[in-house]
Amino acid sequence: AQSVAQPEDQVNVAEGNPLTVKCTYSVSGNPYLFWYVQYPNRGLQFLLKYITGDNLVKGSYGFEAEFNKSQTSFHLKKPSALVSDSALYFCAVRDLVTGGGNKLTFGTGTQLKVEL
Amino acid sequence: GAVVSQHPSRVICKSGTSVKIECRSLDFQATTMFWYRQFPKQSLMLMATSNEGSKATYEQGVEKDKFLINHASLTLSTLTVTSAHPEDSSFYICSATRLAPHEQFFGPGTRLTVL
Repeated sequence: AQSVAQPEDQVNVAEGNPLTVKCTYSVSGNPYLFWYVQYPNRGLQFLLKYITGDNLVKGSYGFEAEFNKSQTSFHLKKPSALVSDSALYFCAVRDLVTGGGNKLTFGTGTQLKVEL
Repeated sequence: GAVVSQHPSRVICKSGTSVKIECRSLDFQATTMFWYRQFPKQSLMLMATSNEGSKATYEQGVEKDKFLINHASLTLSTLTVTSAHPEDSSFYICSATRLAPHEQFFGPGTRLTVL
């Protein structure tokens, strides 16, 4: 079975500072990894994904994430946070080996709060 | 980019009535659509996976007779909450995928309130 852990319910950071939102995963095979952002009362917006290749993935709005196979992590990062980045962030994984179609397993979400 | 719409965005209904929510992929053909439920400040819970022209696959614990899913075409899936009760009040989100490039595209969600 595949699973995702987001150990932090909330992350607070000052505007202009770098931010990190943590994610670790567990799959039996090779993972597809995703980050999504959700604003209040809205659906999820895709930020970035890791399928294969370069471990550092660059996505929308200046976000990036680094795939670390040995640590089974896929932390989301941004060099300089903006107040408008404040939202709920979800990490998700899809296990290529067990298939299950395109079924994603989501983490519990991390609320990012960027303050002036 | 790929766009998924949901209708309605909000619905309030009386207990015992049925509510239909539509999910449409606007600019691509979706091989698979998913229905999720999200409680306040919680993660998305997958309810069912829907493939065009076949019966939906429900996750464990989801009542298929209560949450009817129809995937009539490659661009439309519907979720009908039958005999809704207040505990069915939630945020329902659909997503759609195509064969590539592997990510799911999410609709904006439907807020259901059952009085």
